[in-house]
Amino acid sequence: DADVTQTPRNRITKTGKRIMLECSQTKGHDRMYWYRQDPGLGLRLIYYSFDVKDINKGEISDGYSVSRQAQAKFSLSLESAIPNQTALYFCATSDSRQGAAEAFFGQGTRLTVV
Amino acid sequence: AQSVTQPDIHITVSEGASLELRCNYSYGATPYLFWYVQSPGQGLQLLLKYFSGDTLVQGIKGFEAEFKRSQSSFNLRKPSVHWSDAAEYFCASSSGTYKYIFGTGTRLKVLA
Repeated sequence: DADVTQTPRNRITKTGKRIMLECSQTKGHDRMYWYRQDPGLGLRLIYYSFDVKDINKGEISDGYSVSRQAQAKFSLSLESAIPNQTALYFCATSDSRQGAAEAFFGQGTRLTVV
Repeated sequence: AQSVTQPDIHITVSEGASLELRCNYSYGATPYLFWYVQSPGQGLQLLLKYFSGDTLVQGIKGFEAEFKRSQSSFNLRKPSVHWSDAAEYFCASSSGTYKYIFGTGTRLKVLA
């Protein structure tokens, strides 16, 4: 089983619908992140959480919200989806106990808003 | 502000040729630096990382990268490319706040 699991892997939704992307991890890491990947733009940070009670906006948080339900779970919501939120979404984790810790990524969720 | 630049959007090399992918970072102090690879339909896999010490770091799959403070660069290299190396490569940096900032990526095509 993957250490960082994202569900669903693919989703098509209609404009104006609310949608939630879920992420769970078995790595025991305290830090979790949501990124969005668009062609030619790389990965951009939407939200990040350093522990259950510490949630922070990234560079492109408008139109998104998150919930850290437990140390292992971090969900991303689109309250009212719009077509320009069509993208590949990645959840990632890292461990603050490791000095120069890298981020570990899930397999991604491909979201299409029609 | 912290930033990462990958000047090459696409690179094409022949199988067996050497490879160098460029990465420049902008940060006041020495950041933590990473190279990731993304194969089609996959997540990102860490190739190597640098945070201090020896400026030449070895990674998986035969990749290496060299940190050059004077040039603010962290270029990825491989002496002989294999067809399976075709993928997208991302350079990333992280400051002490543990926000990972990514470059826009370089897509590698390998010719048989």
